[in-house]
Amino acid sequence: AQSVTQPDIHITVSEGASLELRCNYSYGATPYLFWYVQSPGQGLQLLLKYFSGDTLVQGIKGFEAEFKRSQSSFNLRKPSVHWSDAAEYFCAVGAIYGNKLVFGAGTILRVKS
Amino acid sequence: GAVVSQHPSWVICKSGTSVKIECRSLDFQATTMFWYRQFPKQSLMLMATSNEGSKATYEQGVEKDKFLINHASLTLSTLTVTSAHPEDSSFYICSALSGGAFNEQFFGPGTRLTVL
Repeated sequence: AQSVTQPDIHITVSEGASLELRCNYSYGATPYLFWYVQSPGQGLQLLLKYFSGDTLVQGIKGFEAEFKRSQSSFNLRKPSVHWSDAAEYFCAVGAIYGNKLVFGAGTILRVKS
Repeated sequence: GAVVSQHPSWVICKSGTSVKIECRSLDFQATTMFWYRQFPKQSLMLMATSNEGSKATYEQGVEKDKFLINHASLTLSTLTVTSAHPEDSSFYICSALSGGAFNEQFFGPGTRLTVL
């Protein structure tokens, strides 16, 4: 069965500092991987996705993620965090068939000035 | 881009009443929509897959008779919480598949349900 682990429940970074949010997945075949961001009381916005090809994926708002098959990881990074990045971030894995998504528990990002 | 709307954005109801939540794809047709439930400070849990013109497929543990799903058109799916109780209070989010080689899911803004 598919599963996603986000080990960090909360992360606090200073504005302007770099950010890395961790995501590990378990899936028997080639995974389709996603990162979403959710602001309080809002729906989810897709930051980036990985289907195949280049393992370094660029997304919106200056985010990127790297797929590492050997580590079953898909960590999200940003070189310089802005206060507006404070939100909750979800990693998700999907199958080719069925299109169901399994979400991680989420990581709440706090940005201090 | 693809836009999904939900209505209402929030609703408060008395225990025992039924509540209908609408999910619409505004600028594309979606043969498949998903309904998720999110408890405070928790992740999204898939409740059911809604397919246009056919019965919804429910995830294990989700009561079909309590959470009625109707996908009557390519742009509209509805979730009805029947005989709602306080434990049904939650944030309900829908998503719609956009089509293509891998159907990307576009998410609605969510509906906050509070049952008194």
